[in-house]
Amino acid sequence: GENVEQHPSTLSVQEGDSAVIKCTYSDSASNYFPWYKQELGKRPQLIIDIRSNVGEKKDQRIAVTLNKTAKHFSLHITETQPEDSAVYFCAASITGGYNKLIFGAGTRLAVHP
Amino acid sequence: DAGVIQSPRHEVTEMGQEVTLRCKPISGHDYLFWYRQTMMRGLELLIYFNNNVPIDDSGMPEDRFSAKMPNASFSTLKIQPSEPRDSAVYFCASSPPDRTYEQYFGPGTRLTVT
Repeated sequence: GENVEQHPSTLSVQEGDSAVIKCTYSDSASNYFPWYKQELGKRPQLIIDIRSNVGEKKDQRIAVTLNKTAKHFSLHITETQPEDSAVYFCAASITGGYNKLIFGAGTRLAVHP
Repeated sequence: DAGVIQSPRHEVTEMGQEVTLRCKPISGHDYLFWYRQTMMRGLELLIYFNNNVPIDDSGMPEDRFSAKMPNASFSTLKIQPSEPRDSAVYFCASSPPDRTYEQYFGPGTRLTVT
């Protein structure tokens, strides 16, 4: 079935460094790729997304890149801050008559001051 | 807009009891999703509705779980009878008709079954 793999599962960086999280997906028809941030005890919140007709999208310190040929996409956070510490989930849309997302397992990011 | 509303926020119950979780989607959203989150299994889609009609319930773990959406502003997820392995955080999410994949999550219900 459809699958989204996410790496790494944990990531520790120093404040000010960059962080990169990578995901691969299996459904070649997927066309929407959101990223969610979940702080401890809180709800997942959509922070950025990208559609298949775009290769890269940036919003201040975060950016996403998409490689449809290789079926992988990445989240890049620059100039990390302690408040970036959270679990990040990638997801891919499932088509074929369904309007749902398949989520990756999550990456726990820790930004140390 | 108040966002997606879920109740209760926390529920502690004994094994064998019936549990009902409630969700009010964002007004105007026509998709509603129920997820379960655990450390072991991550974020799992249980069931989702479009215009109050269940579209895909393939994620519902077993017959003990049922979900309804009687109108556009209310949905319930029921577990009967509950078991300790049902302990998890249950999230409801909704999405608008013109941006179906953009899901907005509620605060979740933390369920503990003892």
